[in-house]
Formats: sequence, C-alpha cells, structure tokens
Amino acid sequence: NAGVTQTPKFQVLKTGQSMTLQCAQDMNHEYMSWYRQDPGMGLRLIHYSVGAGITDQGEVPNGYNVSRSTTEDFPLRLLSAAPSQTSVYFCASSLVAGGPGEQYFGPGTRLTVT
Amino acid sequence: AQKITQTQPGMFVQEKEAVTLDCTYDTSDQSYGLFWYKQPSSGEMIFLIYQGSYDEQNATEGRYSLNFQKARKSANLVISASQLGDSAMYFCAMRERDSNYQLIWGAGTKLIIKP
Repeated sequence: NAGVTQTPKFQVLKTGQSMTLQCAQDMNHEYMSWYRQDPGMGLRLIHYSVGAGITDQGEVPNGYNVSRSTTEDFPLRLLSAAPSQTSVYFCASSLVAGGPGEQYFGPGTRLTVT
Repeated sequence: AQKITQTQPGMFVQEKEAVTLDCTYDTSDQSYGLFWYKQPSSGEMIFLIYQGSYDEQNATEGRYSLNFQKARKSANLVISASQLGDSAMYFCAMRERDSNYQLIWGAGTKLIIKP
C-alpha cells in the first residue's frame, strides 16, 4: 500500500493563478479531508468527504473547491491563488468518519503564492 | 471559543524523564473522540493515541498514555521515559459526532528533549 499520496510536494504560484493539488489513497477509505497548516497554528479543515460524490465545507473553505468522483481521489482546487493561501496543505483519509480510526496523512504540499 | 486548547507553546525536558503535554477541550456533544499526533521537523503527521468519550479506561500505546479526565474536559498526553527522538510538535485534536466528525486541532506544543 502506498497509503496517502500527494502531488506536488512544492509549488510556487503567482497571485491569480489556479492549480489543483492531487490526493489519492489506496486503502479504500471512505473519509478524506484537506487541511492547511500555517506557522504557529494547528491544522485547519478546508473541505472533507464522507464518500464518493459527497463533499462538505470545513472551517476555512473560501477560495478552494473539491470533488470526489472516486473513492481513491480527492483533489483540491485553488480557484485564484492569493498570498494568504501560502501554507502547507495536508490530505488525510480514514476508514470511516467517526470512531477510533486514525486519520492517515499524506506528506504535505508546501505552497507559496507570490 | 477555542475548541481545543494547548497551553504550553514549548517545553524542555531532560532525556529519560516523563513529560505531560496538556490539552483541554470544549464540547457539549456526548460522543466525541480525542487524538494526539506528533509532527517531527520532517513534517509528517504521526498518529500516537486515541481516546473515545465512552472509554472508561485511559488509552495507552507503548510509552504514550492519555490521562483522560472527562469532567474537567482534559486529555493530557503522558510520555514516559522520554527519548531524543521525541523532540517534535505535538497536536491534540477532537472529533465530535454533532460536527459530522470534523477533526478540530489545537495549536500544538513544541517539545524539546535535552540530552
């Protein structure tokens, strides 16, 4: 199992550009989520999905879109990048939404918006 | 209001000593779970331990234990016999049923183990 994979690992964007951060998992997990981590802060939930075809907003969804057309993939789209979106982005998955199941994290994408 | 509060931004501990990292939480949900994760300087998130709100026993995983005091809404992580490799950021997080199981995170504690 590869676990949770994220691409790219690093990205630099100019203000106004759009891009998609890729996330995939091969563990047949129902629950997937995207977080951002800013210096001195914990992770903040951007969007999450409890299964294919179902997505919902987290704490900081503005400026981001997601879709979940398959169980395996959960891409995050930045519509028009802004410097405030400079952050480290983590994708995570777990077998189900609740219960004791840990969330498995990808290695992260470090995004800089200039 | 903060859902998860970690009051210790940083801690220094001598190697081989035990260390307690504080975490208090705020919820009115009866069904919730508490997690601790470790983030070394390399950046990955490593799951350490889980405590469910209905679990009567404190969770333990090797050198990690969770001191769960439900009435006080605290879920402190205890690391016994600390090692140099324990130096990292430590995050407490909570998942509530009523919030559709979204994971809410504290700001973290930076732990440095001194030789």
